[in-house]
Amino acid sequence: QKEVEQNSGPLSVPEGAIASLNCTYSDRGSQSFFWYRQYSGKSPELIMFIYSNGDKEDGRFTAQLNKASQYVSLLIRDSQPSDSATYLCAVKRIEAGTALIFGKGTTLSVSS
Amino acid sequence: KAGVTQTPRYLIKTRGQQVTLSCSPISGHRSVSWYQQTPGQGLQFLFEYFSETQRNKGNFPGRFSGRQFSNSRSEMNVSTLELGDSALYLCASSFLEGVDGYTFGSGTRLTVV
Repeated sequence: QKEVEQNSGPLSVPEGAIASLNCTYSDRGSQSFFWYRQYSGKSPELIMFIYSNGDKEDGRFTAQLNKASQYVSLLIRDSQPSDSATYLCAVKRIEAGTALIFGKGTTLSVSS
Repeated sequence: KAGVTQTPRYLIKTRGQQVTLSCSPISGHRSVSWYQQTPGQGLQFLFEYFSETQRNKGNFPGRFSGRQFSNSRSEMNVSTLELGDSALYLCASSFLEGVDGYTFGSGTRLTVV
């Protein structure tokens, strides 16, 4: 059973702090890793993706990947109340026709 | 550029009925995936289509089916509805079969009574 695990939270951080969201996956064949943000009542929105070990930065967001540990994380710097949402980790094999598998998400709450 | 369009937005059906949901992908996207989202199970993969061919199917009963048309639009059908089928059904499209990530539509909220 291929699984993606996330701590459901809630993760509570004060405004301006760094939020750290973590995800582990069981399928060693996973090659593509995605972070989605989902506001309550809305559909998931792609924040960023990462393929290679190491860090990838995009504005206030940094994705970190460690394939040996089967671990991917998302850091949000200078957290804002508007970042309060559920963050979904998703993984995919590189082969065509393989499904994008989602974790159940971590709820982030940023207090002002 | 128009996003992924799902219709209808809301549906209420009774047990035993069938339902058809529609999805129009982003122009140029040929890969369409469907997901069921419930509070307890999260996002669960239903199936994926690429160029009218089903490439993958999730662990759902045969009551759940889908298809993709030559213009990449997709439909999913659920027959003999059960109360447990109440969920948000999300369609997502991709240009590179998900390698570059998927863009989701707003979803169809199905309530079975």
